[in-house]
Amino acid sequence: KAGVTQTPRYLIKTRGQQVTLSCSPISGHRSVSWYQQTPGQGLQFLFEYFSETQRNKGNFPGRFSGRQFSNSRSEMNVSTLELGDSALYLCASIPRLEGRAGANVLTFGAGSRLTVL
Amino acid sequence: KQEVTQIPAALSVPEGENLVLNCSFTDSAIYNLQWFRQDPGKGLTSLLLIQSSQREQTSGRLNASLDKSSGRSTLYIAASQPGDSATYLCAVNTSGSRLTFGEGTQLTVNP
Repeated sequence: KAGVTQTPRYLIKTRGQQVTLSCSPISGHRSVSWYQQTPGQGLQFLFEYFSETQRNKGNFPGRFSGRQFSNSRSEMNVSTLELGDSALYLCASIPRLEGRAGANVLTFGAGSRLTVL
Repeated sequence: KQEVTQIPAALSVPEGENLVLNCSFTDSAIYNLQWFRQDPGKGLTSLLLIQSSQREQTSGRLNASLDKSSGRSTLYIAASQPGDSATYLCAVNTSGSRLTFGEGTQLTVNP
């Protein structure tokens, strides 16, 4: 079965612009989460979506936003880009969000590498 | 606040050697712990997942253990190969799909 598809794979923007990244989860998966990876901060959780609703959000400014569509595809948007937003943005696909007794196995996409000049 | 630490930060070994990567976490209230592999410029590949009720998981030459009470996990790689060269990341799951990652161990296996 197809994996997690992230587009675009690479992009270059300038400060002040905005960017939209897309993630298509594994077919049948209903939950998506987003992570930012930078050399200085490592991998940090951005937010997660399940059934078109944001269920959890990391400690990022309001410039970072996202949404999930009825087909489970997700987009994240970063407005007013700053140099520090340069990072690899990873999307993870999860079958569904389990409760305490479950095991949320995340399958990651290849990522979108954003460079802000 | 959950914190995850991985030791060592980098490791270089000759091919064929057995090795252990270490991971520690500060809050034992976890759902599970996962080990990932990341090749340069690529996404994450899940290697092993250990649920909070389990003590270890094995896959091929990989074995991961979990001691939740002491906040520790180890990843054992047997008979290392040059193809094992990558960054290995440990992550704990404490809520939904929210993972807290360590900084990773960069492994180089020399032929």
